[in-house]
Amino acid sequence: GAVVSQHPSWVICKSGTSVKIECRSLDFQATTMFWYRQFPKQSLMLMATSNEGSKATYEQGVEKDKFLINHASLTLSTLTVTSAHPEDSSFYICSASVNYGYTFGSGTRLTVV
Amino acid sequence: SQQGEEDPQALSIQEGENATMNCSYKTSINNLQWYRQNSGRGLVHLILIRSNEREKHSGRLRVTLDTSKKSSSLLITASRAADTASYFCATDEGSQGNLIFGKGTKLSVKP
Repeated sequence: GAVVSQHPSWVICKSGTSVKIECRSLDFQATTMFWYRQFPKQSLMLMATSNEGSKATYEQGVEKDKFLINHASLTLSTLTVTSAHPEDSSFYICSASVNYGYTFGSGTRLTVV
Repeated sequence: SQQGEEDPQALSIQEGENATMNCSYKTSINNLQWYRQNSGRGLVHLILIRSNEREKHSGRLRVTLDTSKKSSSLLITASRAADTASYFCATDEGSQGNLIFGKGTKLSVKP
């Protein structure tokens, strides 16, 4: 089946630094990648939708200048959390739609200290 | 994106008992899916039910869908301690083609 590889699985960074999260589609081409965020004990909320070769679409309340999304190829989408703050600490997970549904990355646990 | 509701929010049962979780959604859908998430981990796809289906089985899982009530239920029979996890329903209502997740039910199965 279609696999999305997400890295890193966890990261700890200092406040003010930037963190890049990568999602690679290993055996298929992902025209669209969805980025979700999950705060502790909560559900997944869509942050943005990235489309290969075009600007990402951000959900209401998500700062596009803070959460930079790049989808430069059909197999790679990246999310960069810029100038991270402790309140950005969360579980970030990407997802791509495939013929039979959706496939998810394994998620990235971001802790900002 | 608006989330659907799931109940209960938390469910604690003994091993061997059945666990039932419910999910409601807001608009018309093509399909509804159930996912499992162990603490701090990624999602595991459990089962998908299409809008023209009313019931579906997979092993110890039974899913029902009532499109008139915009609701679904997930039944786990003969639960095991290893079933302890959070369970989410998700629908394809998203305006971007994305899934919209329910708030989830945290299931605890005690040995």
